[in-house]
Amino acid sequence: KQEVTQIPAALSVPEGENLVLNCSFTDSAIYNLQWFRQDPGKGLTSLLLIQSSQREQTSGRLNASLDKSSGRSTLYIAASQPGDSATYLCAVRNFGNEKLTFGTGTRLTIIP
Amino acid sequence: GAVVSQHPSWVICKSGTSVKIECRSLDFQATTMFWYRQFPKQSLMLMATSNEGSKATYEQGVEKDKFLINHASLTLSTLTVTSAHPEDSSFYICSAGPEYLTDTQYFGPGTRLTVL
Repeated sequence: KQEVTQIPAALSVPEGENLVLNCSFTDSAIYNLQWFRQDPGKGLTSLLLIQSSQREQTSGRLNASLDKSSGRSTLYIAASQPGDSATYLCAVRNFGNEKLTFGTGTRLTIIP
Repeated sequence: GAVVSQHPSWVICKSGTSVKIECRSLDFQATTMFWYRQFPKQSLMLMATSNEGSKATYEQGVEKDKFLINHASLTLSTLTVTSAHPEDSSFYICSAGPEYLTDTQYFGPGTRLTVL
């Protein structure tokens, strides 16, 4: 059974700093991995999707990497802004399955 | 990205009543939709997978007679919480996909259910 963990559970950094969020998964037979953002009381916004054959994806100030063999993904946020404050969730899709297994989330606070 | 809507965004009901939540994919056809439940400060818990034209598949521990799911078309799935009780109060989120071109799942904005 796939298990997804995110560390740290919460993170506060001053505005302008670069930061890394971590996601680890137990079953490396993944089809893809997706990073989401969730604002309080809202749904999820898809940020980046990495296919199992890819090593990284970039969108603006966001860069997500994937190391399937070690069961890890990171989300790098450059030049953080207060608007980046949210909960970030990673989710894994395994082969032969359309379901997503979600991580525990990292609550990020950017201090102005 | 694609848009998924949910209606209503919030609902308050009395204990014992039934509540229906709609999930629509607005700009792509979704043969599969998913229903999640989220408690405060926790991650999403998958409740069931909804397939167009067939019965939903429920996760272990989810009462299918309590949470009725209907996927009547390629753009609409509904979740009905029957005989709701205070412990059913939660944030319910649906998703549609994966979308064919992007392989991405798109999520609705969620429905806050409060049962008095």
